[in-house]
Amino acid sequence: AQSVAQPEDQVNVAEGNPLTVKCTYSVSGNPYLFWYVQYPNRGLQFLLKYITGDNLVKGSYGFEAEFNKSQTSFHLKKPSALVSDSALYFCAVRGSGYSTLTFGKGTMLLVSP
Amino acid sequence: DTAVSQTPKYLVTQMGNDKSIKCEQNLGHDTMYWYKQDSKKFLKIMFSYNNKELIINETVPNRFSPKSPDKAHLNLHINSLELGDSAVYFCASSQGPSGRASDTQYFGPGTRLTVL
Repeated sequence: AQSVAQPEDQVNVAEGNPLTVKCTYSVSGNPYLFWYVQYPNRGLQFLLKYITGDNLVKGSYGFEAEFNKSQTSFHLKKPSALVSDSALYFCAVRGSGYSTLTFGKGTMLLVSP
Repeated sequence: DTAVSQTPKYLVTQMGNDKSIKCEQNLGHDTMYWYKQDSKKFLKIMFSYNNKELIINETVPNRFSPKSPDKAHLNLHINSLELGDSAVYFCASSQGPSGRASDTQYFGPGTRLTVL
């Protein structure tokens, strides 16, 4: 079975500071990893994904994520947080032999002015 | 130029009623999905269709019946609605066959279903 863990229910950061939202995964075979963001009363928006190649993936709105195979992690990062980044963030994984995308429980990011 | 659209956005109904949610994508994608997001924001796949063919049915009660008239549309019909069906339902689509794990799924805005 494949699974995703987002260990933090909420991350608080001050505007202008760097942010990290953590994600670890478990899957057999090669992992395909995704980050999505959900603003209140909105659908999920795709941020970035890791398929293969460079471990540092750059995505939308200045976000990036680092794939670490040995630690089975795919943490989301941004060098300088904005208040408008406040939202619910989902990490998701799909193994090469799996037919579905499995989501983590989500991490609420709150950026204070 | 909405990519994945759903109607209605909100649906309030009584227990026992039958209702439908419609989804359309104009991305030219081959695969479409229905997800359920519960009150704790947990997302779970319900169904997946590839080119009008059912690919995934994740132990969803048979009161839920997806229908895909063409590859751009995937509707969800729910019979005999129960209180526990209250949730946000998201439609999504991805480009290739559902077996292509690397494809990004693009989500619609969601339909908030409230069963009274």
